[in-house]
Amino acid sequence: AQSVTQPDIHITVSEGASLELRCNYSYGATPYLFWYVQSPGQGLQLLLKYFSGDTLVQGIKGFEAEFKRSQSSFNLRKPSVHWSDAAEYFCAVTKVSGTYKYIFGTGTRLKVLA
Amino acid sequence: GAVVSQHPSWVICKSGTSVKIECRSLDFQATTMFWYRQFPKQSLMLMATSNEGSKATYEQGVEKDKFLINHASLTLSTLTVTSAHPEDSSFYICSARVSQGGAGELFFGEGSRLTVL
Repeated sequence: AQSVTQPDIHITVSEGASLELRCNYSYGATPYLFWYVQSPGQGLQLLLKYFSGDTLVQGIKGFEAEFKRSQSSFNLRKPSVHWSDAAEYFCAVTKVSGTYKYIFGTGTRLKVLA
Repeated sequence: GAVVSQHPSWVICKSGTSVKIECRSLDFQATTMFWYRQFPKQSLMLMATSNEGSKATYEQGVEKDKFLINHASLTLSTLTVTSAHPEDSSFYICSARVSQGGAGELFFGEGSRLTVL
């Protein structure tokens, strides 16, 4: 079955500390992978995406993610977290071709301590 | 990036009434839009795929007659919650794909919070 797993429901880090949010996927086809961020009461904003090529992708707001096919993972990282990064983060996957339905993970809520 | 706008951002209605939510792609044409429902502190649940000029494709378990979707133009899709009840209260989010042929990333509207009294 196709699925996206974000093992950490909540993560708390101190401002300035590094961050890694985990994402694992189970997908029968070549995946396209995304990370989105959602602030309370808002829609989702795309942070970064992986389609092909370099497995380390850079996104907005200083985020990056690394695609590891052997581990079926697409973890999101940031070297130094800012208080404004507190939000909900969603990993998503879709197929290279077809109906383009997106499957979202359950999300990780990030709390940043001052 | 591409802009998707939803309206209204929040709505309160009485039980039994119908509510329409609009989703517009402001600077691109979207032949396909997606409607999601999000419960508090949960992920997004795909409700239906809205196709311009044709019927929407609903996900399993989503009532077609309860959630009417119309995609009459390349820039507008609407979701109408008919005979709304308190259990329909939720955060509804639309999204649209930018590119055709490839996967293309989804761009999301701001969401619409529906509260049914």
